Amino acid sequence: ETGVTQSPTHLIKTRGQQVTLRCSSQSGHNTVSWYQQALGQGPQFIFQYYREEENGRGNFPPRFSGLQFPNYSSELNVNALELDDSALYLCASSLAKQGPRYNEQFFGPGTRLTVL
Amino acid sequence: KQEVTQIPAALSVPEGENLVLNCSFTDSAIYNLQWFRQDPGKGLTSLLLIQSSQREQTSGRLNASLDKSSGRSTLYIAASQPGDSATYLCAVRNGNYQLIWGAGTKLIIKP
Repeated sequence: ETGVTQSPTHLIKTRGQQVTLRCSSQSGHNTVSWYQQALGQGPQFIFQYYREEENGRGNFPPRFSGLQFPNYSSELNVNALELDDSALYLCASSLAKQGPRYNEQFFGPGTRLTVL
Repeated sequence: KQEVTQIPAALSVPEGENLVLNCSFTDSAIYNLQWFRQDPGKGLTSLLLIQSSQREQTSGRLNASLDKSSGRSTLYIAASQPGDSATYLCAVRNGNYQLIWGAGTKLIIKP
């Protein structure tokens, strides 16, 4: 059983560009969440997808968008990058047996995004 | 608005000591609470998950407790080892599916 994987590991972009980050969920998991973690802080919830539908969103602007595919892999897209978007982006997958509120989340290693 | 606080922000103890990390939250209407460790530059490893109906969970040398009424959780680490050095984060899950996180406690175990 493979764990959660993310690509790329590191990424450098310039202000105004667009970026796509990818996540492959743990086998059998049907829920994926994305988080942004600034240096020295706890992660901040961006959004969650359950069976290909967004079912929860944190306090992030619309230029942060996502997709979940039928094989439960996922993408995070960020448009019009700003300097403050520099952070570690974490993907977490889970199996919602009782519904997505109860499930234990398993995290990937993250993508370190630097915006210059 | 749910807020999660972890005290202390950093802790350094000699190897072999038992220690307690604290997590407090302001809204007791949670579904579960999860403890994680994060090694420098790496992702998060789930340590223990406590559902709102539970009081504690144990895994090896780790024991986590939950007191919803007082908005507190503790992570107890027995017989600490240098390999336990990491940042420990707690997170609570609210009704809107979010995990709300503390800023973490950076733990250093001195050999």
